[in-house]
Amino acid sequence: EPEVTQTPSHQVTQMGQEVILRCVPISNHLYFYWYRQILGQKVEFLVSFYNNEISEKSEIFDDQFSVERPDGSNFTLKIRSTKLEDSAMYFCASSSQMNTEAFFGQGTRLTVV
Amino acid sequence: TQLLEQSPQFLSIQEGENLTVYCNSSSVFSSLQWYRQEPGEGPVLLVTVVTGGEVKKLKRLTFQFGDARKDSSLHITAAQPGDTGLYLCAGRYMEYGNKLVFGAGTILRVKS
Repeated sequence: EPEVTQTPSHQVTQMGQEVILRCVPISNHLYFYWYRQILGQKVEFLVSFYNNEISEKSEIFDDQFSVERPDGSNFTLKIRSTKLEDSAMYFCASSSQMNTEAFFGQGTRLTVV
Repeated sequence: TQLLEQSPQFLSIQEGENLTVYCNSSSVFSSLQWYRQEPGEGPVLLVTVVTGGEVKKLKRLTFQFGDARKDSSLHITAAQPGDTGLYLCAGRYMEYGNKLVFGAGTILRVKS
């Protein structure tokens, strides 16, 4: 069964460093998303991406964050200068159409020290 | 003010019992999804409901979408220890575009 895959599963980084989280969405999907979940809190929307551009972003998604689809399969989230409060599980998701079910990856646990 | 609320927050029951989890909003959903999440893993989609009054069944799980599309419920019949986990509802709203808004979840523990 097709699935969303994310790498790495766990990333530890020093405060101020740049990190890139990688995702391979389901192959025929057109809409891509990043969400995050701080330990013990709700899953929160970060950004959605369609047709090679950001379609929506939340207030969390500030200038430190960027997304890219560098080729036909990968979808990446970059955090330019990580802060302690960026520590969270980051989930990539994809859907075939707007307003249809979203399928989530296993997540990347980011720990900023 | 919470846009989407789930109840109860925590439920501990014996194997074989039935249970219902609720998801409520003051705004109309354009669609709603139920997920199950294990610790340290991503949400796994259980069902999507779109039409008011819709009922969907997935083995022992029954999902209902309210007529006004502002609420939903998940009913589990004869719960088993394997049902233990975090159940999340997540909805889309017309006025908030394509993003999913998640509830805080219901932690279900089924004791054998």
